[in-house]
Amino acid sequence: QVQLQESGPGLVKPSETLSLTCAVSGYSISRGYYWGWIRQPPGKGLEWIGIIYHSGSISYNPSLNSRVTISVDTSKNQFSLRLSSVTVADTAIYYCARYSRSAGADYWGQGTLVTVSS
Amino acid sequence: DIQMTQSPSSLSASVGDRVTITCRASQSISSFLNWYQQKPGKAPNLLIYGASSLQSGVPSRFSGSGSGTDFTLTITSLQPEDFATYYCQQSYSTPTFGQGTKVEIK
Repeated sequence: QVQLQESGPGLVKPSETLSLTCAVSGYSISRGYYWGWIRQPPGKGLEWIGIIYHSGSISYNPSLNSRVTISVDTSKNQFSLRLSSVTVADTAIYYCARYSRSAGADYWGQGTLVTVSS
Repeated sequence: DIQMTQSPSSLSASVGDRVTITCRASQSISSFLNWYQQKPGKAPNLLIYGASSLQSGVPSRFSGSGSGTDFTLTITSLQPEDFATYYCQQSYSTPTFGQGTKVEIK
């Protein structure tokens, strides 16, 4: 059974960098699929942040492109998100997911709330 | 990037009703369209991929159709557990979601 688990600080100060990690179990990242980050501000809709392939191929949401970095560590079977220069507008539940172009996002983490506040 | 527009934004329906949600893409996305259900406090759950393929374990009352720019999610005979928010998402290019459709109890 594929499982994903987000981890990282739940509180980040404005202008600082948000960092999250998604640990994957039950499936080796290096076997394939894209691995992605999605966020959801409280009470609002879903926003795709970006996706990364095990080989390192990356695609980011253009609206976040200048602030986002997604990386993968196949040796630890995990992938990470860094979002720089955060503001209160970046307060959201952050989800990680396994994704393919032909079959959507079929496995998701439970999500982690990150609050941006001083 | 490709914009996805869902309609309606919300709807009220009764158990047993047939419900239809539409999703329109700002350009052709072939059949690269997925549907998700999200319940409060939970991660989204994939229902339909490739516009019309039912994800394993999803009840057959859910179905999807369409190609190009116009797509539909249909729930035949709405059940109590189907009251949730539904999102479409295109996977033709860098992924984007629709704004969501909340299905509420009438």
